[in-house]
Amino acid sequence: DSGVTQTPKHLITATGQRVTLRCSPRSGDLSVYWYQQSLDQGLQFLIHYYNGEERAKGNILERFSAQQFPDLHSELNLSSLELGDSALYFCASSVYGVGGYTFGSGTRLTVV
Amino acid sequence: GENVEQHPSTLSVQEGDSAVIKCTYSDSASNYFPWYKQELGKRPQLIIDIRSNVGEKKDQRIAVTLNKTAKHFSLHITETQPEDSAVYFCAASIPNFGNEKLTFGTGTRLTIIP
Repeated sequence: DSGVTQTPKHLITATGQRVTLRCSPRSGDLSVYWYQQSLDQGLQFLIHYYNGEERAKGNILERFSAQQFPDLHSELNLSSLELGDSALYFCASSVYGVGGYTFGSGTRLTVV
Repeated sequence: GENVEQHPSTLSVQEGDSAVIKCTYSDSASNYFPWYKQELGKRPQLIIDIRSNVGEKKDQRIAVTLNKTAKHFSLHITETQPEDSAVYFCAASIPNFGNEKLTFGTGTRLTIIP
């Protein structure tokens, strides 16, 4: 167990629907990063939050949004889902900056 | 922004031999270079990292070398074992006052042949 908790582990939903992925960082970590990994692809950076504030955005679609709550857990909201959104979604946390980046086990999203 | 290229995309090595994976980065300001190992269906795990003030770092059978002038860094695995089979990702980050993010390479699928 890495200490970073992601729920749910698996999610199957239909096109056009909306889902919420949840991430609880390691105790003491203030930064949360979200990444998307499509089948046999690399890790695409989506968004970074630090202590509740958005710090950086990557290739995140307008249909996707995220937030980090006062208890430091983060949620990634994906709406108007398309088949191409099927992927593994990872969150990672760190105390500060990228050193000591620890990934959660991921949420596998399947859009049918 | 930073761009990281990784080669080869697949690599097969006889058990006991060495494996080398290479990455290049585009932004000379990058100062942190970790390597992650991802087994099938699992999360990426940090196996070794290096900062720009160091040229080489070793941890048992794995080592990473950094050439800042050429903007490339490499992962070396010696005496490979079946459990080394996985996808390996290199990454780089640019210092940005706590706003750093990792930019990943596209991955190398390493297969160790028994």
